[in-house]
Parts: sequence; C-alpha cells; structure tokens
Amino acid sequence: AQSVTQPDIHITVSEGASLELRCNYSYGATPYLFWYVQSPGQGLQLLLKYFSGDTLVQGIKGFEAEFKRSQSSFNLRKPSVHWSDAAEYFCAVGAGTGTYKYIFGTGTRLKVLA
Amino acid sequence: DTGVSQDPRHKITKRGQNVTFRCDPISEHNRLYWYRQTLGQGPEFLTYFQNEAQLEKSRLLSDRFSAERPKGSFSTLEIQRTEQGDSAMYLCASSFPRSGGYNEQFFGPGTRLTVL
Repeated sequence: AQSVTQPDIHITVSEGASLELRCNYSYGATPYLFWYVQSPGQGLQLLLKYFSGDTLVQGIKGFEAEFKRSQSSFNLRKPSVHWSDAAEYFCAVGAGTGTYKYIFGTGTRLKVLA
Repeated sequence: DTGVSQDPRHKITKRGQNVTFRCDPISEHNRLYWYRQTLGQGPEFLTYFQNEAQLEKSRLLSDRFSAERPKGSFSTLEIQRTEQGDSAMYLCASSFPRSGGYNEQFFGPGTRLTVL
C-alpha cells in the first residue's frame, strides 16, 4: 500500500538558516509527489509538485525539492528561511489511478527563531 | 476565480446532532475531494466525486456520513448522529483533469467541527 513518512514532527531553525524537510514514500510505480504548506487556520497551499522529468523541482516562495528514486525520497529545501515560513508542511503522494487521491504524511511543524 | 470555498468555517455541535458542510469548488474543476484532518495528522481521504458521480468512498466514511454533489458543482457532506470522535477539520479540494491523470488539488480553508 502507498504511504508517506515524514520523520520529523517538529523542526526549529533560525531565520536565515537553510532548511531541509524529509519525506519518504512507498509506491510501486513512478510516483506523483507534492509538497503543501498549511498556516494556522488556513487551507493547504501547493508549494511544488513532481510528475516526471527533471528530478530537482522548483516551487513557490523559494522552495525546491529533489526526487531520489533510489532512496524513495522527496525532500524539501530552502536555502534561507524567513520568519513567515513558520507553518506545517505536508508531503503527499498520488495514490494510483482512478480517483487521483492523495496520501499525506503526518506533517512537519516548522518553527523559525528570530 | 475565488478558489475553493467552504461553509461554515467552524461548527460546534452536541453529540447526537446532525451537521452538514458545504464546499464550492473552483468553477471549471470537475473533480472534488473530501478529506478529514485530525490534530497532529495529515489529511485523510474520505471521498471523491467526478462531476456528480461519487466514485470512491474511504472506509473512514461510516454509514453516518453521506456526501452529495447533485449537479456536479457544489458538494455537501453530512454527518448524522455526531460523535466526539468526529471532531476534526474537514477539507474540500478540487482539481481539473490532466492528460495522464494527476493534477494538483486546490484546497479550501476547511470546516472545523467540534462535537461536545
């Protein structure tokens, strides 16, 4: 069965520091992968997606992610974190044909220190 | 295009009461999804509509839950005889079909349900 693991429940970084959020997936075929961000009281906003092609994907707000098939990973990175990046981040995998539903990880809550 | 909207944003109810939530997707999107998100968890899939047809229901969707999308536009999710375990954020998402299947889903702000 498809699954997504986000090993870090909480991460704290200082403003200006680099960031990497980990995501590992389990899926039999070529996955469709997504990163969403959720601020308090808000819905989910898409940061970036991977469907095929270049394994380094650029997204909004200066985020990027790299698909590594050999490691079943799709880690999210940002070179310099801003205080406004504090939020919860969810990795998701497209769970097969038919409904095109997503399977989400449990999320990583990011805290940014001034 | 005002995005996906959900109503109400918050609902507090007593155990045993019925509640109904509404979702208005982005107008040209024919795929509509409901997810449930509990504290500390990621969203979990509940059900999917393509136009007015409900094509999949999760095992999470017990007999007390029913969803409709009568004209292929807005959707409603009803919970009958609510239980405290139903307390969660209910998220609606919509997407437009893409050749090859997957496309990004656009999420609404959610309806937070509290069952007392």
